[in-house]
Amino acid sequence: NAGVTQTPKFQVLKTGQSMTLQCAQDMNHEYMSWYRQDPGMGLRLIHYSVGAGITDQGEVPNGYNVSRSTTEDFPLRLLSAAPSQTSVYFCASSYYRGYEQFFGPGTRLTVL
Amino acid sequence: GENVEQHPSTLSVQEGDSAVIKCTYSDSASNYFPWYKQELGKRPQLIIDIRSNVGEKKDQRIAVTLNKTAKHFSLHITETQPEDSAVYFCAASQTSNTGKLIFGQGTTLQVKP
Repeated sequence: NAGVTQTPKFQVLKTGQSMTLQCAQDMNHEYMSWYRQDPGMGLRLIHYSVGAGITDQGEVPNGYNVSRSTTEDFPLRLLSAAPSQTSVYFCASSYYRGYEQFFGPGTRLTVL
Repeated sequence: GENVEQHPSTLSVQEGDSAVIKCTYSDSASNYFPWYKQELGKRPQLIIDIRSNVGEKKDQRIAVTLNKTAKHFSLHITETQPEDSAVYFCAASQTSNTGKLIFGQGTTLQVKP
């Protein structure tokens, strides 16, 4: 099993550009989440999904969209990138709520 | 919504000493409390978790205690080793509702040889 995979590993954007961060898991997990990690602020939840077709907002959803058309994939879209979105983004999945979350390797995003 | 506070933000100990990291949570309905370890440049990984029907859980040198009345839980690492050096995150979740996992700000643990 590949576990949780994320692409790309690194990305540089200009202010106003849009892009999609890809996340996929091959463990048939129902629950998936996106976090951003900034120094001194821990891991902050952006959006999450409890199953295919169901998504909801986390702590810091503004400027981001998600969709969950399949169990395996959970892409995160940046609509119009801003320097404040410079961060490391982690995708995670778990069998169900209240179970171990497995994290992807992360995407380091810089917005100029 | 849930809010998790974690202290201290940095902790330095001598090899062989014990380390304690404390977290408080705000939502009394939270019932699942995991701890994650993140080594430099790596992804977070679960090291131990506890549910609200249990007061303490141990796994070798690591233990977690939970005080539901006070809404706080702690990570205890005994006989620390240099490989324990990392950032540790606590988190809280209400599994009967959305299951959102809310993290604390993290503690950087340095174990000096």
